[in-house]
Amino acid sequence: GEDVEQSLFLSVREGDSSVINCTYTDSSSTYLYWYKQEPGAGLQLLTYIFSNMDMKQDQRLTVLLNKKDKHLSLRIADTQTGDSAIYFCAESPQGGGYNKLIFGAGTRLAVHP
Amino acid sequence: NAGVTQTPKFQVLKTGQSMTLQCAQDMNHEYMSWYRQDPGMGLRLIHYSVGAGITDQGEVPNGYNVSRSTTEDFPLRLLSAAPSQTSVYFCASRPRASGPRGTQYFGPGTRLTVL
Repeated sequence: GEDVEQSLFLSVREGDSSVINCTYTDSSSTYLYWYKQEPGAGLQLLTYIFSNMDMKQDQRLTVLLNKKDKHLSLRIADTQTGDSAIYFCAESPQGGGYNKLIFGAGTRLAVHP
Repeated sequence: NAGVTQTPKFQVLKTGQSMTLQCAQDMNHEYMSWYRQDPGMGLRLIHYSVGAGITDQGEVPNGYNVSRSTTEDFPLRLLSAAPSQTSVYFCASRPRASGPRGTQYFGPGTRLTVL
């Protein structure tokens, strides 16, 4: 079946790197996504990676994909208090129709001074 | 432009009441969706629409109805509210030719409590 799993909580010190991990089960997924949800707001797409890539970098964000282990990670360099939010991993399985996305439960990132 | 807007932001209903959650977008997006978010779970798709006059069911459609008479609006109706429908509801939209289907624009959400 389709499932996406994430750890629920991560606490880091301001200025350190944060690494949020995700595992997924559907090897047919074509794209994998990271969304950010700030308190009281909707989800905002941060970045995505195509399944034939193993790394994507976008400013302070680095996405690593290990397709063999079905493991996805999001690294945030120089983490700031404004990065405090819930981060959702999501996959779009092939054949899922126009809009099927499978979301993880979200990782709450807390950044402390 | 305002993006995706949702009203109301908060709502409390009694079991058995009906109501409509409103969603509107001003980006001329063909595709619109409704999700619910429950504690400890990811978002789950309730219903979606690929254009005016066309809707279809997602993963958890029971207890909800939708219609799409215009490109801009996609209301979600709860016919007879139940406590199991207590959740945060998100509307999302994306243009037809936006590439990966995960590149969606989300509204700020409606927090619904059913007593």
